[in-house]
Amino acid sequence: GAGVSQSPRYKVAKRGQDVALRCDPISGHVSLFWYQQALGQGPEFLTYFQNEAQLDKSGLPSDRFFAERPEGSVSTLKIQRTQQEDSAVYLCASSLKGLGRTRQETQYFGPGTRLLVL
Amino acid sequence: DAKTTQPNSMESNEEEPVHLPCNHSTISGTDYIHWYRQLPSQGPEYVIHGLTSNVNNRMASLAIAEDRKSSTLILHRATLRDAAVYYCILRDELDSSYKLIFGSGTRLLVRP
Repeated sequence: GAGVSQSPRYKVAKRGQDVALRCDPISGHVSLFWYQQALGQGPEFLTYFQNEAQLDKSGLPSDRFFAERPEGSVSTLKIQRTQQEDSAVYLCASSLKGLGRTRQETQYFGPGTRLLVL
Repeated sequence: DAKTTQPNSMESNEEEPVHLPCNHSTISGTDYIHWYRQLPSQGPEYVIHGLTSNVNNRMASLAIAEDRKSSTLILHRATLRDAAVYYCILRDELDSSYKLIFGSGTRLLVRP
């Protein structure tokens, strides 16, 4: 079956540009996560959605970062006025259940979007 | 959050077993031990998880020390496709957050 897909796979932006990164989770998955992975580091949590509700955005590094999931399926991570330190791989993950269910659920990751800000 | 410590890198020969260690001396009684791996240019993928008892699945085995302060991921017969970064992650059953907290992981190199 189809896994998590992300687009674009690669994005080059000039400093100051706005970018939008898309995530298509596995159909029917309630939970959706965004992570940021700097070169040579492990992924770091950005934000979490349960259906369309953004329940945790504690990892967003600044107010230039905004995420939405308006219909509880596809999600978009938007970065305004990009800066060089935003260069990273942005990973999306989904899992079947939401809060209140088992916390040991597997997260299924997409291939990521590699963002390079020049 | 309880932290994990892993070697930065390990090497193995193809078709030989690989033992990837993880130390988690501050683990709590409600922490599950999870392993994910990340192949080159891909997102992480789930490998295995356990609480107290050793676990086996089609990908690997997880051996958990009796005091739970360490664990070992075992690949019984490494292949070139197993070359990846392996992350040992603790997930608290009582934690309301679902996020995964990754460390730097162990980069496994498999020699043909």
